[in-house]
Amino acid sequence: NAGVTQTPKFRVLKTGQSMTLLCAQDMNHEYMYWYRQDPGMGLRLIHYSVGEGTTAKGEVPDGYNVSRLKKQNFLLGLESAAPSQTSVYFCASSRQGGQSSPLHFGNGTRLTVT
Amino acid sequence: GDSVTQMEGPVTLSEEAFLTINCTYTATGYPSLFWYVQYPGEGLQLLLKATKADDKGSNKGFEATYRKETTSFHLEKGSVQVSDSAVYFCALRPLNSGGSNYKLTFGKGTLLTVNP
Repeated sequence: NAGVTQTPKFRVLKTGQSMTLLCAQDMNHEYMYWYRQDPGMGLRLIHYSVGEGTTAKGEVPDGYNVSRLKKQNFLLGLESAAPSQTSVYFCASSRQGGQSSPLHFGNGTRLTVT
Repeated sequence: GDSVTQMEGPVTLSEEAFLTINCTYTATGYPSLFWYVQYPGEGLQLLLKATKADDKGSNKGFEATYRKETTSFHLEKGSVQVSDSAVYFCALRPLNSGGSNYKLTFGKGTLLTVNP
């Protein structure tokens, strides 16, 4: 059971370049999320999706776009990378939106923008 | 808005020592409360949870009790091991309000190092 899989694991970009981070889950979860983790900041929600074909903005959405064309996949795009987007990105999913439904996380993508 | 405050680290303990990591929250109503653990190089994993006041969550020797009166959810373990070295995150999920009950709010994390 793979759970939540993120690709790539590491990436270095130059300012202005674009890239897409892929998240795949095999648990048939409805909800998916993208977080970024920065030292001393904890985790901050970038975008989320409550079902196939839907997306919504989280706490820090600027500079990112997302798509959920298939239920199992949630893509995070950076159209023009900036050094401020250097971070570790985590994808997560949950079965439903209820209070007690835990999030399942991937192992993260470490992105450096130079 | 909702917020979670947890004690700043790093916390360094010797093996078999007692652990407490404090967590307090601000939220409307009765949120669900969680502790997540992040081992080096990995994503976060759910450690334990509590969904209503006075509930005690427990797992792998860790415990936390949902205290409504003090808005706290402190993490404790009686005897830590080297393998417990990790970053611990307290988090809350609000009561259903405007459809936002699926979003977690995290604390900043506490790094625990346990020495042999």
